[in-house]
Amino acid sequence: DVKVTQSSRYLVKRTGEKVFLECVQDMDHENMFWYRQDPGLGLRLIYFSYDVKMKEKGDIPEGYSVSREKKERFSLILESASTNQTSMYLCASSLGDGRETQYFGPGTRLLVL
Amino acid sequence: GNSVTQMEGPVTLSEEAFLTINCTYTATGYPSLFWYVQYPGEGLQLLLKATKADDKGSNKGFEATYRKETTSFHLEKGSVQVSDSAVYFCALLNSGYSTLTFGKGTMLLVSP
Repeated sequence: DVKVTQSSRYLVKRTGEKVFLECVQDMDHENMFWYRQDPGLGLRLIYFSYDVKMKEKGDIPEGYSVSREKKERFSLILESASTNQTSMYLCASSLGDGRETQYFGPGTRLLVL
Repeated sequence: GNSVTQMEGPVTLSEEAFLTINCTYTATGYPSLFWYVQYPGEGLQLLLKATKADDKGSNKGFEATYRKETTSFHLEKGSVQVSDSAVYFCALLNSGYSTLTFGKGTMLLVSP
């Protein structure tokens, strides 16, 4: 079974702090994704990556950056957290073979005070 | 751009009732279509998918048929259980990329 893990289930940070959300997958997947999930808005893609050191902007990249130094790890960075970044953050990965089933982690619920 | 529209919830049903959750999409070509489910406190997991027109995806008693004429992929189940209570997301695969476009999700609540 594919396993996608996220470093924290719950996180509380203060406005202006730098925040790191970590995601690790154990199935040698090429593609990794970061989404945020908000009530009434569904899932929105923040960034994704096709390979190590590669990144592409999604639909809502503003205020976020990412890092993929190793194939299995994809980090989401909030350079200066703001209250409107309070959300559920979901990481996913996919094989990259064209069939593109995405496998999700359990999510990190971030509260920015 | 591509988009997915789902019926708004919550959908409230009694156990053993018939379920339909509507999903329509706008996209160029014929993208692969997916239904994901999110149980309380968990991430999303794939429920079923269809990769071409007229395909039927099925899993755990749920079914959805890819209808290109109506650009729809409605989710159905003949007899729901309390354990089916969750949020259901319809999604399509964007051509040329490995990204998915999701609908806003439909919450299903099943009472005993």
